[in-house]
Amino acid sequence: DAGVTQSPTHLIKTRGQQVTLRCSPKSGHDTVSWYQQALGQGPQFIFQYYEEEERQRGNFPDRFSGHQFPNYSSELNVNALLLGDSALYLCASSLVRGAQETQYFGPGTRLLVL
Amino acid sequence: GESVGLHLPTLSVQEGDNSIINCAYSNSASDYFIWYKQESGKGPQFIIDIRSNMDKRQGQRVTVLLNKTVKHLSLQIAATQPGDSAVYFCADADKLIFGTGTRLQVFP
Repeated sequence: DAGVTQSPTHLIKTRGQQVTLRCSPKSGHDTVSWYQQALGQGPQFIFQYYEEEERQRGNFPDRFSGHQFPNYSSELNVNALLLGDSALYLCASSLVRGAQETQYFGPGTRLLVL
Repeated sequence: GESVGLHLPTLSVQEGDNSIINCAYSNSASDYFIWYKQESGKGPQFIIDIRSNMDKRQGQRVTVLLNKTVKHLSLQIAATQPGDSAVYFCADADKLIFGTGTRLQVFP
């Protein structure tokens, strides 16, 4: 059973650049959420995609955008990168079933902005 | 705003002892909580969950207690092992809010 996979594992960008991160959900899952985790902090919710639509959004600027494809995989795009965007970006997948949506996380993409 | 917080940033225990990690939340309407374990360089790993209609739930060597009156939950790890060393997060799974984490250090 394939778990959540993310690519790339590491990425180095410079300020002002744009980045795209990718996520494939756990087999059978239909919902993907993205989180930003700064060093020493808990994950912060960015947004969630279900049925190719943004379902919920956290307190992140419009520079952060996403997409979900028909096969449930997802991309996170960040434009006009700032130094403060350096973090571990985590993808979590879940299945919308009843009222319980247990999220399972991927290993993350570590982004460094110079 | 809504928050989820852990009481101690670091907890050191001796191998074989029981560990208790505490967490408080602010939203009394929160219905579903999850404890995650995050090892260095990895994503958070699901440990155990609990819904608000329960006070206690047990897994393998782990127990989660939920006190809705004081908006507090705890994770108990029995017979702590070196492999339990990690950062532990509680999360309000409805609001998708994570605490700041408690680092559990297990020494021989």
